[in-house]
Amino acid sequence: KAGVTQTPRYLIKTRGQQVTLSCSPISGHRSVSWYQQTPGQGLQFLFEYFSETQRNKGNFPGRFSGRQFSNSRSEMNVSTLELGDSALYLCASREGRADSYEQYFGPGTRLTVT
Amino acid sequence: AQSVTQLDSHVSVSEGTPVLLRCNYSSSYSPSLFWYVQHPNKGLQLLLKYTSAATLVKGINGFEAEFKKSETSFHLTKPSAHMSDAAEYFCVVSSGNFNKFYFGSGTKLNVKP
Repeated sequence: KAGVTQTPRYLIKTRGQQVTLSCSPISGHRSVSWYQQTPGQGLQFLFEYFSETQRNKGNFPGRFSGRQFSNSRSEMNVSTLELGDSALYLCASREGRADSYEQYFGPGTRLTVT
Repeated sequence: AQSVTQLDSHVSVSEGTPVLLRCNYSSSYSPSLFWYVQHPNKGLQLLLKYTSAATLVKGINGFEAEFKKSETSFHLTKPSAHMSDAAEYFCVVSSGNFNKFYFGSGTKLNVKP
Protein backbone atom coordinates (compact mmCIF):
# COMPACT_ATOMS: atom_id res chain seq x y z
CA LYS A 1 0.00 0.00 0.00
CA ALA A 2 1.09 3.55 -0.61
CA GLY A 3 1.94 5.53 2.49
CA VAL A 4 0.46 8.78 3.72
CA THR A 5 1.15 11.58 1.30
CA GLN A 6 1.13 15.28 2.04
CA THR A 7 1.19 18.15 -0.42
CA PRO A 8 2.88 20.46 -0.80
CA ARG A 9 6.08 19.47 1.01
CA TYR A 10 7.28 23.04 1.37
CA LEU A 11 5.40 26.31 1.41
CA ILE A 12 6.33 29.93 1.96
CA LYS A 13 3.58 32.42 2.75
CA THR A 14 3.29 35.99 3.95
CA ARG A 15 1.64 37.14 7.17
CA GLY A 16 -2.08 37.64 6.72
CA GLN A 17 -2.43 35.16 3.88
CA GLN A 18 -4.21 31.84 4.16
CA VAL A 19 -2.96 28.39 3.30
CA THR A 20 -4.44 24.97 2.59
CA LEU A 21 -2.54 21.76 3.16
CA SER A 22 -3.57 18.37 1.86
CA CYS A 23 -3.23 14.86 3.23
CA SER A 24 -4.05 11.58 1.52
CA PRO A 25 -4.29 8.69 3.97
CA ILE A 26 -3.40 5.09 3.43
CA SER A 27 -6.10 3.31 1.47
CA GLY A 28 -8.78 2.00 3.80
CA HIS A 29 -7.90 4.33 6.66
CA ARG A 30 -10.82 6.45 7.75
CA SER A 31 -9.16 8.54 10.43
CA VAL A 32 -6.84 11.46 9.71
CA SER A 33 -5.19 13.52 12.43
CA TRP A 34 -3.21 16.72 12.06
CA TYR A 35 -0.29 17.83 14.22
CA GLN A 36 1.83 20.96 14.39
CA GLN A 37 5.51 20.49 15.19
CA THR A 38 7.72 23.39 16.26
CA PRO A 39 11.07 23.49 18.08
CA GLY A 40 9.55 25.37 21.00
CA GLN A 41 6.22 23.61 21.48
CA GLY A 42 7.01 20.16 20.13
CA LEU A 43 4.24 18.08 18.63
CA GLN A 44 0.79 19.44 19.26
CA PHE A 45 -2.46 17.83 18.23
CA LEU A 46 -4.67 19.98 16.02
CA PHE A 47 -7.68 17.82 15.19
CA GLU A 48 -8.84 14.44 14.00
CA TYR A 49 -11.37 13.61 11.32
CA PHE A 50 -13.20 10.34 11.00
CA SER A 51 -15.77 9.61 8.30
CA GLU A 52 -15.92 13.29 7.30
CA THR A 53 -16.63 14.46 10.87
CA GLN A 54 -14.30 16.16 13.29
CA ARG A 55 -13.96 13.67 16.12
CA ASN A 56 -11.39 15.40 18.34
CA LYS A 57 -9.93 18.86 18.57
CA GLY A 58 -6.85 20.31 20.21
CA ASN A 59 -6.37 23.77 21.68
CA PHE A 60 -5.79 25.86 18.61
CA PRO A 61 -7.55 29.07 17.59
CA GLY A 62 -10.37 29.06 15.09
CA ARG A 63 -7.97 30.20 12.35
CA PHE A 64 -7.06 26.53 12.09
CA SER A 65 -9.73 24.44 10.45
CA GLY A 66 -9.99 21.23 8.54
CA ARG A 67 -12.25 18.98 6.62
CA GLN A 68 -12.36 15.46 5.31
CA PHE A 69 -13.81 14.24 2.07
CA SER A 70 -15.72 11.07 1.32
CA ASN A 71 -12.55 9.39 0.05
CA SER A 72 -10.92 10.15 3.46
CA ARG A 73 -8.53 12.73 2.04
CA SER A 74 -8.22 15.66 4.37
CA GLU A 75 -7.34 19.30 4.09
CA MET A 76 -6.20 21.71 6.74
CA ASN A 77 -6.64 25.45 6.36
CA VAL A 78 -4.98 28.24 8.27
CA SER A 79 -6.34 31.73 7.76
CA THR A 80 -4.70 35.05 8.57
CA LEU A 81 -1.27 33.53 8.94
CA GLU A 82 1.01 34.67 11.75
CA LEU A 83 4.77 34.29 12.04
CA GLY A 84 4.22 31.77 14.83
CA ASP A 85 2.41 29.46 12.44
CA SER A 86 5.73 28.55 10.86
CA ALA A 87 6.03 24.85 11.57
CA LEU A 88 6.11 21.35 10.22
CA TYR A 89 2.55 20.13 9.81
CA LEU A 90 2.17 16.38 10.02
CA CYS A 91 -0.82 14.31 9.23
CA ALA A 92 -1.36 10.75 10.39
CA SER A 93 -3.86 8.17 9.31
CA ARG A 94 -5.19 5.06 11.00
CA GLU A 95 -8.02 2.69 10.46
CA GLY A 96 -10.24 4.50 12.93
CA ARG A 97 -11.55 1.57 14.93
CA ALA A 98 -11.28 1.95 18.70
CA ASP A 99 -8.46 -0.61 18.81
CA SER A 100 -6.56 0.75 15.80
CA TYR A 101 -3.77 2.41 17.71
CA GLU A 102 -1.05 2.64 15.09
CA GLN A 103 -0.83 6.00 13.41
CA TYR A 104 1.00 6.22 10.10
CA PHE A 105 2.59 9.58 9.56
CA GLY A 106 3.22 11.45 6.37
CA PRO A 107 6.49 13.31 5.71
CA GLY A 108 4.93 16.64 6.62
CA THR A 109 4.49 20.04 5.04
CA ARG A 110 7.07 22.64 6.07
CA LEU A 111 5.29 26.00 6.27
CA THR A 112 7.32 29.17 6.55
CA VAL A 113 5.50 32.44 7.23
CA THR A 114 7.44 35.63 6.49
CA ALA B 1 -5.93 13.40 32.14
CA GLN B 2 -2.98 12.01 30.27
CA SER B 3 0.51 13.46 29.92
CA VAL B 4 4.00 12.33 29.13
CA THR B 5 7.36 13.59 30.40
CA GLN B 6 10.54 12.72 28.58
CA LEU B 7 13.24 13.30 31.13
CA ASP B 8 16.11 14.09 28.76
CA SER B 9 15.95 16.44 25.81
CA HIS B 10 19.32 15.21 24.49
CA VAL B 11 21.16 11.93 24.95
CA SER B 12 24.59 11.20 23.52
CA VAL B 13 26.11 7.71 23.37
CA SER B 14 28.98 6.05 21.59
CA GLU B 15 28.32 3.52 18.88
CA GLY B 16 28.08 0.03 20.36
CA THR B 17 27.07 1.21 23.86
CA PRO B 18 23.59 0.86 25.41
CA VAL B 19 20.84 3.39 24.87
CA LEU B 20 18.37 4.49 27.55
CA LEU B 21 15.67 7.06 26.79
CA ARG B 22 13.45 7.84 29.75
CA CYS B 23 9.71 8.42 29.75
CA ASN B 24 7.25 8.91 32.60
CA TYR B 25 3.53 9.10 32.05
CA SER B 26 0.42 10.20 33.83
CA SER B 27 -2.91 8.65 32.98
CA SER B 28 -6.35 8.42 34.50
CA TYR B 29 -6.99 5.20 32.64
CA SER B 30 -5.01 2.07 31.96
CA PRO B 31 -2.71 3.65 29.44
CA SER B 32 -1.55 2.59 26.05
CA LEU B 33 2.00 3.73 25.41
CA PHE B 34 4.08 4.09 22.29
CA TRP B 35 7.54 5.11 21.16
CA TYR B 36 7.97 6.81 17.80
CA VAL B 37 11.17 7.76 16.00
CA GLN B 38 11.64 10.71 13.67
CA HIS B 39 14.65 10.94 11.41
CA PRO B 40 15.55 14.39 10.03
CA ASN B 41 13.01 15.68 7.53
CA LYS B 42 10.94 12.56 7.83
CA GLY B 43 7.61 11.66 9.37
CA LEU B 44 7.28 9.63 12.55
CA GLN B 45 7.61 5.86 12.58
CA LEU B 46 6.21 3.57 15.27
CA LEU B 47 8.97 1.73 17.14
CA LEU B 48 6.88 -0.22 19.61
CA LYS B 49 3.64 -0.21 21.57
CA TYR B 50 2.28 -1.31 24.93
CA THR B 51 -1.43 -2.05 25.09
CA SER B 52 -1.92 -3.98 28.37
CA ALA B 53 -0.36 -7.24 27.24
CA ALA B 54 3.24 -8.19 28.13
CA THR B 55 5.02 -5.48 30.10
CA LEU B 56 8.28 -5.97 28.20
CA VAL B 57 7.69 -4.90 24.65
CA LYS B 58 10.02 -5.55 21.76
CA GLY B 59 10.03 -3.26 18.77
CA ILE B 60 11.84 -2.76 15.53
CA ASN B 61 15.58 -2.25 15.10
CA GLY B 62 16.44 -3.94 18.39
CA PHE B 63 14.61 -1.49 20.64
CA GLU B 64 12.53 -2.56 23.60
CA ALA B 65 10.65 -0.90 26.43
CA GLU B 66 9.33 -2.00 29.78
CA PHE B 67 6.04 -0.82 31.23
CA LYS B 68 6.37 -0.27 34.98
CA LYS B 69 3.07 0.70 36.51
CA SER B 70 4.48 1.27 39.99
CA GLU B 71 6.98 3.77 38.61
CA THR B 72 4.67 5.13 35.87
CA SER B 73 7.54 4.68 33.46
CA PHE B 74 8.02 3.36 29.94
CA HIS B 75 11.74 3.71 29.22
CA LEU B 76 13.16 2.81 25.81
CA THR B 77 16.36 0.77 25.63
CA LYS B 78 18.67 -0.80 23.10
CA PRO B 79 21.70 -2.91 24.01
CA SER B 80 24.01 -1.52 21.36
CA ALA B 81 23.62 1.81 19.55
CA HIS B 82 24.14 2.11 15.83
CA MET B 83 24.93 5.28 13.92
CA SER B 84 21.59 4.96 12.14
CA ASP B 85 19.79 5.27 15.48
CA ALA B 86 20.59 8.98 15.61
CA ALA B 87 17.17 10.63 15.50
CA GLU B 88 14.51 12.16 17.72
CA TYR B 89 12.37 9.83 19.81
CA PHE B 90 8.89 10.54 21.12
CA CYS B 91 7.04 8.82 23.92
CA VAL B 92 3.26 8.88 23.49
CA VAL B 93 0.35 8.01 25.77
CA SER B 94 -3.16 7.40 24.55
CA SER B 95 -6.56 7.61 26.15
CA GLY B 96 -8.40 4.35 26.63
CA ASN B 97 -10.19 4.42 23.30
CA PHE B 98 -7.17 5.53 21.25
CA ASN B 99 -8.91 8.68 20.21
CA LYS B 100 -6.37 11.08 21.66
CA PHE B 101 -2.61 10.80 21.66
CA TYR B 102 -0.35 12.88 23.88
CA PHE B 103 3.24 13.33 22.78
CA GLY B 104 6.25 13.96 24.95
CA SER B 105 8.63 16.78 24.08
CA GLY B 106 11.07 14.42 22.41
CA THR B 107 14.60 13.20 23.07
CA LYS B 108 17.31 13.74 20.49
CA LEU B 109 19.70 10.83 20.37
CA ASN B 110 23.21 11.49 19.15
CA VAL B 111 25.44 8.51 18.37
CA LYS B 112 29.18 9.15 18.30
CA PRO B 113 31.51 7.00 16.23
